[in-house]
Amino acid sequence: DAKTTQPPSMDCAEGRAANLPCNHSTISGNEYVYWYRQIHSQGPQYIIHGLKNNETNEMASLIITEDRKSSTLILPHATLRDTAVYYCIVRERHTGGGNKLTFGTGTQLKVEL
Amino acid sequence: DTGVSQNPRHKITKRGQNVTFRCDPISEHNRLYWYRQTLGQGPEFLTYFQNEAQLEKSRLLSDRFSAERPKGSFSTLEIQRTEQGDSAMYLCASSLRSGQTTGELFFGEGSRLTVL
Repeated sequence: DAKTTQPPSMDCAEGRAANLPCNHSTISGNEYVYWYRQIHSQGPQYIIHGLKNNETNEMASLIITEDRKSSTLILPHATLRDTAVYYCIVRERHTGGGNKLTFGTGTQLKVEL
Repeated sequence: DTGVSQNPRHKITKRGQNVTFRCDPISEHNRLYWYRQTLGQGPEFLTYFQNEAQLEKSRLLSDRFSAERPKGSFSTLEIQRTEQGDSAMYLCASSLRSGQTTGELFFGEGSRLTVL
């Protein structure tokens, strides 16, 4: 799986959009970008994934650059409950070795009043 | 609640003792994963099952660790002769088999182990 690079921490004011970047310059053509988050003392939670088109769901939007070497997770109106570690993971969608995920250290997002 | 359930949530033990954690996955999920997470780090993959078959084990899974999923439903992770370095959060996740799913893993709340 391709390696990802994320800033270790970010701050965001409540009600504003949180834009979390991720670099994945070695991504291959069949690898997807997945985002998970982990609120303190809980297990990771799936947010969204995409291949090359921008994606949106009820939690967030995922913007993937045309060359697919980087992406941005957007939380449109961040709340205090969005304070968490956000993990960007690149992986094939269907793998012969199971759907296991390889986590990095992620970005600690702190949403403040 | 029909999510992934892990027990116990917290376990404090003395070095050298054995501990066992249990994971009950989402009922229709045929894949089950164990991860370990230490403070400040992301979760690290330990092993996964498809139904009752253990298909992959990480090098992190030393001989003191054993995982089972005897009937393809719940799973147990046993650590024998615990060491202080085993102190961590042990996370369980489940998913559908590739081809049935978007690739999403559903995680439990974790079992925190403290070895004194």
